[in-house]
Amino acid sequence: EVHLVESGGGLVKPGGSLRLSCAASEFTFSSYMMNWVRQAPGKGLEWISSISSSGTHIFYADSVRGRFTISRDNAKNSLLLQMNNLRAEDTAVYYCAREGEPVWGWCMDHWGQGTLVTVSS
Amino acid sequence: SYELTQPPSVSVSPGQTARITCSADALSKQFVYWYQQKPGQAPVLVMYKDSERPSGIPGRFSGSSSGTTATLTISGVQAEDEAAYYCQSGGSSGSYVFGTGTKVTVV
Repeated sequence: EVHLVESGGGLVKPGGSLRLSCAASEFTFSSYMMNWVRQAPGKGLEWISSISSSGTHIFYADSVRGRFTISRDNAKNSLLLQMNNLRAEDTAVYYCAREGEPVWGWCMDHWGQGTLVTVSS
Repeated sequence: SYELTQPPSVSVSPGQTARITCSADALSKQFVYWYQQKPGQAPVLVMYKDSERPSGIPGRFSGSSSGTTATLTISGVQAEDEAAYYCQSGGSSGSYVFGTGTKVTVV
């Protein structure tokens, strides 16, 4: 069974930085595009970034472009999100999610349990 | 990018049918996907490419799309179906767009 486990969340001051990790197992990590999606408290889902299987193609939402950096280490089956210049509005649960099987189209078929990031002074 | 509009809430009695809509002009050219999210849990994909169910999703879940509106239908609603449901489609430049979310309450 596909397993995704996020870590690295916590409390950080505005303007600070945090690095999230997602450990993947039970599937061929290097074959799948991976994504970060966040959910502010009591709010809906917001896609924030994707990275292709090889890491060649990277996409960001406007809300995080220039502040967040997605990367992956296929040798370690790990997805990363470096978050800089954090703002109060970045407070959310951050999920890593796997791209669905190619025949399924543009979706995410497995999600981690999320890690909470709180930006507050 | 565009917005996917969903009703904030839907109430349904056990055994009845719940229909959740998702609307946007762009949907006439895009597939729609649906996720179920229970409180404190991660989202779960319940429908892909408008009307296809992943394995393990009960047959009471079905999907359809016509023009600019997609619909997730839950027939014979059970108490365990109480959750938030989000539609999703593809945006521009490799992005994803999620709907505003619908809270299904089984009363």
